[in-house]
Amino acid sequence: GAGVSQSPSNKVTEKGKDVELRCDPISGHTALYWYRQRLGQGLEFLIYFQGNSAPDKSGLPSDRFSAERTGESVSTLTIQRTQQEDSAVYLCASSSRKGGSSYEQYFGPGTRLTVT
Amino acid sequence: AQSVTQPDIHITVSEGASLELRCNYSYGATPYLFWYVQSPGQGLQLLLKYFSGDTLVQGIKGFEAEFKRSQSSFNLRKPSVHWSDAAEYFCAVVLYSSASKIIFGSGTRLSIRP
Repeated sequence: GAGVSQSPSNKVTEKGKDVELRCDPISGHTALYWYRQRLGQGLEFLIYFQGNSAPDKSGLPSDRFSAERTGESVSTLTIQRTQQEDSAVYLCASSSRKGGSSYEQYFGPGTRLTVT
Repeated sequence: AQSVTQPDIHITVSEGASLELRCNYSYGATPYLFWYVQSPGQGLQLLLKYFSGDTLVQGIKGFEAEFKRSQSSFNLRKPSVHWSDAAEYFCAVVLYSSASKIIFGSGTRLSIRP
């Protein structure tokens, strides 16, 4: 079956513009996660969805960042008034909450965001 | 604070040599433990995971890891590396009581010497 997909794969934007990043999780996966990976660094948790609700938004770095999920499927991460420090790869992951695999997350290929 | 430490930023080993990548975590309870690999230009792939039971777990691509509670460690090993193992390796934990997020280590970049 299809894995996690993300679009666009690359995005170059000017400082101050808004961007939207999309994630399509694996069908049937109720949990969805967003992470940020800056160049040469590890993954930084941003937000977690269970269904359409977000019980953990603790990783969102500022109020310029927001995310939503509809229909227990697609999620959109929005960054308003982008800054150069927002340049990173944004990774999405999904997981099933069934049985022993409930904590295994499947990652998408990421969206590389460059803010000029 | 909760944390995952990978003390080696970059390791180079010769092809055919053995490999051990270190990972230490700091939590009060036993977490769920993972190793992921990220090859250049590719997404993260799960190598192996530990939830409970046997502390030596086998993964894909010939990797294994051993959970040592006394040392709060979950080191990744491979008896003989291949050139295709060159990649970035991330150790990660999920708290038993919370499935909300994975805490990742900063990663270890593995280079293979021909």
